[in-house]
Amino acid sequence: DTAVSQTPKYLVTQMGNDKSIKCEQNLGHDTMYWYKQDSKKFLKIMFSYNNKELIINETVPNRFSPKSPDKAHLNLHINSLELGDSAVYFCASSGLWTEAFFGQGTRLTVV
Amino acid sequence: EDKVVQSPLSLVVHEGDTVTLNCSYEVTNFRSLLWYKQEKKAPTFLFMLTSSGIEKKSGRLSSILDKKELFSILNITATQTGDSAVYLCAARNYGGSQGNLIFGKGTKLSVKP
Repeated sequence: DTAVSQTPKYLVTQMGNDKSIKCEQNLGHDTMYWYKQDSKKFLKIMFSYNNKELIINETVPNRFSPKSPDKAHLNLHINSLELGDSAVYFCASSGLWTEAFFGQGTRLTVV
Repeated sequence: EDKVVQSPLSLVVHEGDTVTLNCSYEVTNFRSLLWYKQEKKAPTFLFMLTSSGIEKKSGRLSSILDKKELFSILNITATQTGDSAVYLCAARNYGGSQGNLIFGKGTKLSVKP
């Protein structure tokens, strides 16, 4: 059983489209995250979320929005995709002050 | 602004060498320091350090935290080609409900046979 799973693994889409990436964790964790990893391998926090609080990195464009239907899921919606959105997006989850477990990543390519 | 700085950014060694990777941090409300290894896909967890001066060890890897000087090191002894990866350091703060992980840019380690 995969602890943190993301779908799809690869996503190629045209500029201007709207897309979603799904994330599910079966670890019973309270907090989930979205990270963006650029071509230089720099991992940058986008959002952290638990059932009480959404923390948004203020540098993230409002075209990006997380949606959490329940504690085990945190999906990422992206509107009006731009070339600069091309990156690998990682979902992660953690328990109370434990290490974060990462999904396998979604490689998004905007053409 | 919170930041984590790793050095060197890249390193090439030969099998059997010992390497030391550095991580310094400036994070408000610091709680812990984590090390991850990233090969082709997801970062995988190595260590979490909360207390100063207590070494954590796993096989050939070890790590220690200095909260006074605000840095951590990751040591790998008798390196093998399978150690080739990007090593990521992350500082966790008390922000939000469980804090965020603020990552450095990583050290790319290449181990040659």
